[in-house]
Amino acid sequence: AQKVTQAQTEISVVEKEDVTLDCVYETRDTTYYLFWYKQPPSGELVFLIRRNSFDEQNEISGRYSWNFQKSTSSFNFTITASQVVDSAVYFCALSSYNQGGKLIFGQGTELSVKP
Amino acid sequence: DADVTQTPRNRITKTGKRIMLECSQTKGHDRMYWYRQDPGLGLQLIYYSFDVKDINKGEISDGYSVSRQAQAKFSLSLESAIPNQTALYFCATSDFQARQFFGPGTRLTVL
Repeated sequence: AQKVTQAQTEISVVEKEDVTLDCVYETRDTTYYLFWYKQPPSGELVFLIRRNSFDEQNEISGRYSWNFQKSTSSFNFTITASQVVDSAVYFCALSSYNQGGKLIFGQGTELSVKP
Repeated sequence: DADVTQTPRNRITKTGKRIMLECSQTKGHDRMYWYRQDPGLGLQLIYYSFDVKDINKGEISDGYSVSRQAQAKFSLSLESAIPNQTALYFCATSDFQARQFFGPGTRLTVL
């Protein structure tokens, strides 16, 4: 069975702090994709990143960075110098070719960035 | 214009009523999905469709039905709504690289 676990339910930081959101996944498939989505208070889902299982290279996009480690089945997300606008719920998700591309979501981490 | 649209955006209905949520997409994707999000939880898959003739149940399909009228349209129906179906509903499409594109969501309240 496939599963995504985000152990941190809520995180609260002060602006300009760095924060890491953890994501651990389980799958037996060798070809799969990992995602991060942001859900601001307005409710829409904003795509942040997709990673395939054959590419373990870390990625940086502005203040955002992602660390993918197959050895520990983790795909962690770090926000550097957090801002109030980063306050949202962040979801990690998994899909695989063999499962028809449907997304398995973690429970989400609610990030609160205080000024 | 948005690539994935959902109507209505908000709906309040009563227990026992039939309700339909509609989803349209202009992305040209064959794969479409309906998800449900309960407060404080991640999204759960209700139904998904690979094309007009291929519809599959997801994790929580009981109490729901779907119709894929065309490649671009995928509707979700609640035959007899109940209060625990109060949730935020998302439609999504998927491209060949497994990226999913979500609609803005429909907030449904069943009284």
